[in-house]
Amino acid sequence: EPEVTQTPSHQVTQMGQEVILRCVPISNHLYFYWYRQILGQKVEFLVSFYNNEISEKSEIFDDQFSVERPDGSNFTLKIRSTKLEDSAMYFCASSELAGVYNEQFFGPGTRLTVL
Amino acid sequence: DQQVKQNSPSLSVQEGRISILNCDYTNSMFDYFLWYKKYPAEGPTFLISISSIKDKNEDGRFTVFLNKSAKHLSLHIVPSQPGDSAVYFCAASATGNTGKLIFGQGTTLQVKP
Repeated sequence: EPEVTQTPSHQVTQMGQEVILRCVPISNHLYFYWYRQILGQKVEFLVSFYNNEISEKSEIFDDQFSVERPDGSNFTLKIRSTKLEDSAMYFCASSELAGVYNEQFFGPGTRLTVL
Repeated sequence: DQQVKQNSPSLSVQEGRISILNCDYTNSMFDYFLWYKKYPAEGPTFLISISSIKDKNEDGRFTVFLNKSAKHLSLHIVPSQPGDSAVYFCAASATGNTGKLIFGQGTTLQVKP
């Protein structure tokens, strides 16, 4: 069964460093998303991406964040200068068609720890 | 942002009995609702969904009920099995956005053998 994969599973970094989280969405999916879950809190939407551009982003997704689809398979989230409060689980998701009425499939997540 | 609320942080039921997980929402623009199940160290797994034109959707042991006037939905699991023990998230989406999901806080279900 096709699945969304994410690497690395755990990333530890120093405050102020740049990190890149990687995702491989399901191959025939066209819509891509990043969410995060701070420990003990709810899953929060960060950004949606379609046709090589951002469709929607949340208030969390400030200038420190960027997304890219560098090739036909990878979808990346970059945090330019990490802060302590960026520590969270980051989930990538993808869906086949337009967002509504199509369930999103989530990857296993990357645990980001900022020291 | 409390647009989607799951007021019960945890629920414990006996194997074979019914599990009922509840979810309330405030945004009347939401027209698509989903339930996800999450095990530790894994991503959310899609379980079942319902659009606002329906009031019930069933898939095997899982049934979702939607009460639009009350802005309330519930997930019924019958019969509950120990493997159903997980965190269950309710999520909602609105036509016109890009599929952004708004999640509730989650309910931890424990099914005891």
